[in-house]
Parts: sequence; structure tokens; C-alpha cells
Amino acid sequence: GDSVTQTEGQVALSEEDFLTIHCNYSASGYPALFWYVQYPGEGPQFLFRASRDKEKGSSRGFEATYNKETTSFHLQKASVQESDSAVYYCALGDSNYQLIWGSGTKLIIKP
Amino acid sequence: AQTIHQWPVAEIKAVGSPLSLGCTIKGKSSPNLYWYWQATGGTLQQLFYSITVGQVESVVQLNLSASRPKDDQFILSTEKLLLSHSGFYLCAWSPPGGGLDTQYFGPGTRLLVL
Repeated sequence: GDSVTQTEGQVALSEEDFLTIHCNYSASGYPALFWYVQYPGEGPQFLFRASRDKEKGSSRGFEATYNKETTSFHLQKASVQESDSAVYYCALGDSNYQLIWGSGTKLIIKP
Repeated sequence: AQTIHQWPVAEIKAVGSPLSLGCTIKGKSSPNLYWYWQATGGTLQQLFYSITVGQVESVVQLNLSASRPKDDQFILSTEKLLLSHSGFYLCAWSPPGGGLDTQYFGPGTRLLVL
């Protein structure tokens, strides 16, 4: 079946560092890909999505590019802030009305 | 603007007791509605979805059931709780219509089963 893999369980950076969180997927065709962010005690918040090869999604300084060749949708940010500390989830649109979620990556920003 | 409300905010329940969690969406007609479960420190597992009143599809049951009695209301329930039901329950909505659209989440209900 379809799946999403986030290899980093946790990433620790200092403020103003460059961020990459890896997301790879396994699915046929061109599934929709999503990034969500979840702060402690809250529901996930939608960041952005992409649906076509080479399409870039972006929001709040975060961005990711849909790559069909490498089956990836890596999240990046040029300069992280302490307020970016949260758990980030990559998700895949498996079929109508269903999302497959990655295991999440906890981002820790050291002040 | 759409708002999503979940109740209760948190519950502590005994094993074997019944449970009912609610979700209400305001400001959007005929939304698609979803229930998710998240173990502490874990990822999200979609449980149910509904695209119209009275119709609910199961993704993973986990000995739970769901109903949609009104266009803007989604209920998650069980008659007998298990320890494994502890976790964070999230309701989400997406715009009506076919296809896979972005899902927007509520604040969640935290459940502890003892």
C-alpha cells in the first residue's frame, strides 16, 4: 500500500540555521502531498500542499518541491526561529477522503 | 470563517465505560468530516470519514463507531472503552465535493482510560 517515510524522528538546530526535514513517499501516479505542523496540545495546522511534479508549495517561510523522480517532498526553511519548534508531518493523499501520514519529525530550536 | 469545535476538551474514563466525543463545524455547508486518533507521541491514524449526513465510512475501527446526525455534527462513540483507546482524538473537515482536498483540524479531545 501507499506509505510516507520521514527519516528524522527529531532535528535539533540553533536559531537562523537552515532546516531540511526529509519526506519520501511510495504511491502510484501523482498523489497530493501535504505538510502539516503540530504544536503541543493542539491539532495539526495545514502548511501547504502540492499535486504535480516540480510544483513548489510554500507558507510561513517553509517550502517543499514535489519530486516524482526521487519520490520526495522535503521540507526546507532558510532560517529557523525558536517559534518554529513543533512536530512536522508529511502526508499523502491515498485516495478520496483519506490521508496517509508520516511518523512526524520533532523540530527543536535551541535559543 | 469556518470554526471547528470539539467536546469535551479532555476526559478521564474507566475501562469498560461508554464514551461519546463530539465535533461541530460552523460556517461551512456540507463539509466532509473526519475522525483521527493519535497516541501520545505518535502519528495520526484516520478512523472514519463522512461526506454526507447519515453516511459514515470506516477506515480503521479500533472498536469505535461514528455517526453524523446533522450536516455540521460528527460523533465518535463506543459502549465499552479499552485501555488502548487512550490518546488524542481529532476531528477535521474539508470542503465539500469530490477529490482529496486539504483537511483542517479541530483542537482535539484528550482521553485517558484507566
